[in-house]
Amino acid sequence: AQSVTQLDSQVPVFEEAPVELRCNYSSSVSVYLFWYVQYPNQGLQLLLKYLSGSTLVKGINGFEAEFNKSQTSFHLRKPSVHISDTAEYFCAVSVWYGNEKLTFGTGTRLTIIP
Amino acid sequence: DTGVSQNPRHKITKRGQNVTFRCDPISEHNRLYWYRQTLGQGPEFLTYFQNEAQLEKSRLLSDRFSAERPKGSFSTLEIQRTEQGDSAMYLCASSLRGTSGVSGANVLTFGAGSRLTVL
Repeated sequence: AQSVTQLDSQVPVFEEAPVELRCNYSSSVSVYLFWYVQYPNQGLQLLLKYLSGSTLVKGINGFEAEFNKSQTSFHLRKPSVHISDTAEYFCAVSVWYGNEKLTFGTGTRLTIIP
Repeated sequence: DTGVSQNPRHKITKRGQNVTFRCDPISEHNRLYWYRQTLGQGPEFLTYFQNEAQLEKSRLLSDRFSAERPKGSFSTLEIQRTEQGDSAMYLCASSLRGTSGVSGANVLTFGAGSRLTVL
């Protein structure tokens, strides 16, 4: 079975500073990788996904992530954060040729400090 | 299309009562998923449907939980004899299988969730 680890439960960052949210996965088969964002009292919104091809993927709101197969990582980055980026961020995986369900990490709460 | 709709958004009930949540997926989506999210945790898979067929149930889905999707459109999740441990956010998501042209690369669209509080 696959699993996702988000080691940082909370990340405080000053406004306009860069940020990296870490995600590592474990799987015996090839995977697809996703980052979702959850704003307070809302559902999850897809930020970006890695399916195949270029290992650097760009998403909405200026976020990007890089798939590193050797390190089994899919870290999320943004060069300059804004107050509106305050939210919970979830990394998720699904397996190739599987039943397509997502397995999520425990999430990272990003807090932007003015 | 208004996205995935879930009702009610909030439900407070007493222990032992039954509750039902409804999910209306995006109309052309053939897959529908239920997840549960407790405080400080990521969403956990409960079950999913392809059209009206329930294809998989998690071991988290005890006998008190039942989900249906009778006509392959909306779905209901019923919890019987609720317990305090059932308090959580119940999330529904839908997708169109094969959207990205590769098997397994299923992009889910989530609803806003139904928050259950059991007193």
